[in-house]
Amino acid sequence: EAQVTQNPRYLITVTGKKLTVTCSQNMNHEYMSWYRQDPGLGLRQIYYSMNVEVTDKGDVPEGYKVSRKEKRNFPLILESPSPNQTSLYFCASSPGLAGVQETQYFGPGTRLLVL
Amino acid sequence: AQTVTQSQPEMSVQEAETVTLSCTYDTSESNYYLFWYKQPPSRQMILVIRQEAYKQQNATENRFSVNFQKAAKSFSLKISDSQLGDTAMYFCAFISLYGSSNTGKLIFGQGTTLQVKP
Repeated sequence: EAQVTQNPRYLITVTGKKLTVTCSQNMNHEYMSWYRQDPGLGLRQIYYSMNVEVTDKGDVPEGYKVSRKEKRNFPLILESPSPNQTSLYFCASSPGLAGVQETQYFGPGTRLLVL
Repeated sequence: AQTVTQSQPEMSVQEAETVTLSCTYDTSESNYYLFWYKQPPSRQMILVIRQEAYKQQNATENRFSVNFQKAAKSFSLKISDSQLGDTAMYFCAFISLYGSSNTGKLIFGQGTTLQVKP
């Protein structure tokens, strides 16, 4: 089944404790992206990747890191989480061939609570 | 800057009736896609319908259809024969296809919560 998977789905952590949210897609998509969803703000892009080893900042990158060592994986790293990073996080992917952006397919979401 | 606005935070409709969700957007580009995503209580983001800006014909997917008015920058979603399973938050989204702003970023509206009542 074609899908985007994220782990963990739920996470409670404390301020400053490094964590990684994994994202994997099995559709051989070029493009991957991370979004965060907050009430009243919709979804906002954190980071994106056009291809392996190519990543760039989105609208709200502060406090986050990403890497794209393999085409299928795009982990989101919070080196020192803070309470304002409490949010619902989505990973998404699309074919992104030749830089053309089409429909993005979303993972199931990761709900993060930072105490 | 490109923006997407959904002016209806909450709406309700009786089962089997028709409801229309509004969305307006702002862009100076001519090549783009517009989407409606559904987010049920499970929080999964589910694609409902997609519209290419270069197509004049409005997209339809079963009970879901859009009214795309390019000049007015309006993109409303009509749900016919509403079902209880349509209860969800609905997001309108925009993406640029080309150009210097081609980051692949989906720009989302704030969302409209739709309640379908039995």
